[in-house]
Amino acid sequence: GAVVSQHPSRVICKSGTSVKIECRSLDFQATTMFWYRQFPKKSLMLMATSNEGSKATYEQGVEKDKFLINHASLTLSTLTVTSAHPEDSSFYICSAPKGVGTEAFFGQGTRLTVV
Amino acid sequence: AQSVTQPDIHITVSEGASLELRCNYSYGATPYLFWYVQSPGQGLQLLLKYFSGDTLVQGIKGFEAEFKRSQSSFNLRKPSVHWSDAAEYFCAVAREYAGNMLTFGGGTRLMVKP
Repeated sequence: GAVVSQHPSRVICKSGTSVKIECRSLDFQATTMFWYRQFPKKSLMLMATSNEGSKATYEQGVEKDKFLINHASLTLSTLTVTSAHPEDSSFYICSAPKGVGTEAFFGQGTRLTVV
Repeated sequence: AQSVTQPDIHITVSEGASLELRCNYSYGATPYLFWYVQSPGQGLQLLLKYFSGDTLVQGIKGFEAEFKRSQSSFNLRKPSVHWSDAAEYFCAVAREYAGNMLTFGGGTRLMVKP
């Protein structure tokens, strides 16, 4: 199967700082990537769709100024949590479909802890 | 809007026993359905998927699932559970195309007794 890599796998940051999470498709190009958030002991919720060369599409209730998404190339999407607060602590995971009409492959996720 | 319901939050089975995890979905069109497994602190691993065709789908690790349109269900089964199967299991439906913009169920935590 295709490989999607996320970095870092874990990060601890102080309140008020920003954190960048990278999602890379290693062996295929992805014009679209998806970012999900998983609260502790909860399910995954789609946050936004990252589109290469254009603005991301955010789900209702997700603050686009808080969660900045940049899809700079066909293999890289980044999620930046700006001015992080403890309530932003969560597991963030990205996925990328290999092509239209195919399944999306998930990264290994990033555990963010804001202290 | 589509939704996915996993009625069982926790399930405990004995090692070697059979397993069935329930999943019901609500979706207006033909659904693309998935089952994922997540070990603690880990990402998601795809167990199996249904796009079309044969309604009984075989997956990895001995899992299978059956799509029943009349019941809007996609239950996951395994004839004999191993201790290593203990994990969180998520059912999901794709909003559009296959694998894109997934809506997940709430998850079922499987515990395996020795």
